[in-house]
Amino acid sequence: ELKVEQNPLFLSMQEGKNYTIYCNYSTTSDRLYWYRQDPGKSLESLFVLLSNGAVKQEGRLMASLDTKARLSTLHITAAVHDLSATYFCAVGGIQGAQKLVFGQGTRLTINP
Amino acid sequence: DVKVTQSSRYLVKRTGEKVFLECVQDMDHENMFWYRQDPGLGLRLIYFSYDVKMKEKGDIPEGYSVSREKKERFSLILESASTNQTSMYLCASRGQGAGGELFFGEGSRLTVL
Repeated sequence: ELKVEQNPLFLSMQEGKNYTIYCNYSTTSDRLYWYRQDPGKSLESLFVLLSNGAVKQEGRLMASLDTKARLSTLHITAAVHDLSATYFCAVGGIQGAQKLVFGQGTRLTINP
Repeated sequence: DVKVTQSSRYLVKRTGEKVFLECVQDMDHENMFWYRQDPGLGLRLIYFSYDVKMKEKGDIPEGYSVSREKKERFSLILESASTNQTSMYLCASRGQGAGGELFFGEGSRLTVL
């Protein structure tokens, strides 16, 4: 059974600082997704990582995937308040299965 | 842009009532999903469908059923709502192929009294 674990689950940080959210998963997969959720809102796709070593960047967020270590990271550079949200990683099932399994989410709060 | 529309944003029902949650997507996606989201538990898959009239159980199907009579519409049914089904329900769709991400609706917050 595929399990996905994120850490930390809660993160409070100061504006301008850097930090990393980690996403570990238990079985082989070469597809990993990052989503953002604002309070009371639905999930918005941030990144799709499809191969080992994939790195994608958008603004102050950068995501990477190491399929051998079964690990993805979401790195935040010089955080700003607007990045406060809950971030989820999700892993695609093996053998082309269509469903995704989500991590618990990391609630990120960025203080001025 | 892909649009996934859930029929009700907020519902309040009584224990034992039958509840329908409807979801429509406009991108001709083959795959549709129902998740529930609870604090501390993340998103858990209830059911998904990969084609019209086809359905697969997810991780927590007990107490739920689904219907997919048309490609664009996927309904979640609670035959007899219970208080432990109070939750946020999220519908999502996805095209065929390995790379596609899920596109989510706005969510339906259900309270069962």
